Amino acid sequence: GQNIDQPTEMTATEGAIVQINCTYQTSGFNGLFWYQQHAGEAPTFLSYNVLDGLEEKGRFSSFLSRSKGYSYLLLKELQMKDSASYLCAVSDSNYQLIWGAGTKLIIKP
Amino acid sequence: IAGITQAPTSQILAAGRRMTLRCTQDMRHNAMYWYRQDLGLGLRLIHYSNTAGTTGKGEVPDGYSVSRANTDDFPLTLASAVPSQTSVYFCASSENTGTYNEQFFGPGTRLTVL
Repeated sequence: GQNIDQPTEMTATEGAIVQINCTYQTSGFNGLFWYQQHAGEAPTFLSYNVLDGLEEKGRFSSFLSRSKGYSYLLLKELQMKDSASYLCAVSDSNYQLIWGAGTKLIIKP
Repeated sequence: IAGITQAPTSQILAAGRRMTLRCTQDMRHNAMYWYRQDLGLGLRLIHYSNTAGTTGKGEVPDGYSVSRANTDDFPLTLASAVPSQTSVYFCASSENTGTYNEQFFGPGTRLTVL
C-alpha cells in the first residue's frame, strides 16, 4: 500500500526554527509537495522537490532524500502566522498526489 | 473571478437526498480533482478529470459521481447522501498532469449529512 507519515502535532516558539518530517512509501515517485493549510481554509502550495537536496525559499526550505523515502520542511524565524497545518504529498507513478494527514504546528509567543 | 470557486460554502443535508457540489475554475487548467478531508486523515481523492470529457475514479469514489462537460466546470454529485459523507470537500485543479502537477484548491464546501 501507499503511506505518508508525518507527526500529528508540533509546538514551537516564535522566532525559533522547526523541522517537520515526512516519510513515504509509494508506488513510484514523481515529486514531493509541501502545502500549508490554515484552519478553515484551503491548502496552498509551499514547495516541490523532485531531486535530492535542499530547496530554499525565503524562511522556508524543503529537503528530499529519495533513497530514504524522506523529506522535511524547515521553517525559520517562526511567526505567529505560521500556525497552521503542513501537508506532505507525494506524486505517485500515475501522477496522483498521495497525501499525509498533516502536521498541526502551534506557535507560542 | 480568479482561481477556483466552490458552491455552496456549507450545507446541511438530510440522509437520502441528492446533492451537487459545484466547482468552477477560470485558469484554463486541464486537470481537476475532488477531495474530501476528514479529521485525522489526509486529503482523499474521490474523482479526477485529466481533461474535459474524461473522468476517473480516485481512492474513495463510492457514492459519488462527476462529469466534465467543459474545461471550467467539474460538479460532484452525491446521489443519495449518507452520514459517512459528512466532510469538507475540496475541488482542485492543475495545469496538466505529469511531473510538477501543482494543484490549486478552491475554498471548500463543508457538508453535514444528518
